[in-house]
Amino acid sequence: LAKTTQPISMDSYEGQEVNITCSHNNIATNDYITWYQQFPSQGPRFIIQGYKTKVTNEVASLFIPADRKSSTLSLPRVSLSDTAVYYCLVGGGGATNKLIFGTGTLLAVQP
Amino acid sequence: DAGVTQSPTHLIKTRGQQVTLRCSPKSGHDTVSWYQQALGQGPQFIFQYYEEEERQRGNFPDRFSGHQFPNYSSELNVNALLLGDSALYLCASSWRKGAPEGTEAFFGQGTRLTVV
Repeated sequence: LAKTTQPISMDSYEGQEVNITCSHNNIATNDYITWYQQFPSQGPRFIIQGYKTKVTNEVASLFIPADRKSSTLSLPRVSLSDTAVYYCLVGGGGATNKLIFGTGTLLAVQP
Repeated sequence: DAGVTQSPTHLIKTRGQQVTLRCSPKSGHDTVSWYQQALGQGPQFIFQYYEEEERQRGNFPDRFSGHQFPNYSSELNVNALLLGDSALYLCASSWRKGAPEGTEAFFGQGTRLTVV
């Protein structure tokens, strides 16, 4: 399973757009890229998933370049409640569903 | 539609004891995975159950065992508890047959285990 590298922490202010980039140089052909959000003492919550190009849902966008060796999670107009740890994961191709979490990115949103 | 439910939410055990944690998957899901999350770390995969069998296992000792029931619910058992077993234990469910389309696992709120 591909290893991911992402910044340990990021700071932002309310109303700004936040982009968190994840590197996954060894991504396999059948791997998907998935982002989870986790608040303290809660289970991770699925945010978005993609395979290539751009995916957008009601909370975020995921940009994946053609070589798929990196991806960027974009959170539009963050609020204080977006303060959390964000995990980038690759895998899930086939029927394994095994998720490998790194240390994640702690996003701190300030007023 | 209930999501993934775990019980109990908190638990305090003494070193050397045994503990059983329970998980009910999201409706329609047939695969249950267990994760251990130490403070300040990302969740670490323990094992995964599908069709009542352990399908994959992470780097955890045999003290960690599990079970899946015909209704897809699951238990995590830890024997001979160590202080280092103190962590948040997370259960995640997913739909295995849908996995080729990508993986979206739903997590429960976790069980906070403290070993003293």
